[in-house]
Amino acid sequence: GDKVKQSPSALSLQEGTNSALRCNFSIAATTVQWFLQNPRGSLMNLFYLVPGTKENGRLKSAFDSKESYSTLHIRDAQLEDSGTYFCAAEGGGRALIFGTGTTVSVSP
Amino acid sequence: NAGVIQTPRHKVTGKGQEATLWCEPISGHSAVFWYRQTIVQGLEFLTYFRNQAPIDDSGMPKERFSAQMPNQSHSTLKIQSTQPQDSAVYLCASSLAGSQNTLYFGAGTRLSVL
Repeated sequence: GDKVKQSPSALSLQEGTNSALRCNFSIAATTVQWFLQNPRGSLMNLFYLVPGTKENGRLKSAFDSKESYSTLHIRDAQLEDSGTYFCAAEGGGRALIFGTGTTVSVSP
Repeated sequence: NAGVIQTPRHKVTGKGQEATLWCEPISGHSAVFWYRQTIVQGLEFLTYFRNQAPIDDSGMPKERFSAQMPNQSHSTLKIQSTQPQDSAVYLCASSLAGSQNTLYFGAGTRLSVL
């Protein structure tokens, strides 16, 4: 089954708006990472999280290990935020398990 | 720091041929991961090395796929007798010490098996 479930699968945003992406885990995740894959296919690491929150510019992410979920908030969306966002969870030192991604399209 | 380097960027093989994909991790990183990405299956874990030793190959197809890390500066993924279903983007990532550290991905090798 899906050990890392992402929602929504796709999201259309207008420039300047805010939104949230979510991952639910069915494994005992100890750390979470969020990535953005640009249209050329490159995967860029956005956040590495232990339980808690982090913020970087217009992006903010939270990881709650007890409730087994993580969120990524996009504030004041810009065109360059378009791409596919992946969350990935690790438990017990095993390799990261990736979600199926959320494709975000930001329009003017 | 050039990041994780993968070569070639694109590879086209005929069915039944062998394909070797190369990955050079970030200097100083001791962990190397291989993933495969397709539209249908998404990002699938294949195998993971730490300090050149295989740690977890649970995602590797049992036949035809093998991976090695002969030294700290490169890893190879070899696919023997390639099949059309092996067509995918193969992604290599490295981290300082393992999956409990930030992963940095290369640009990937797009393998097309005709």
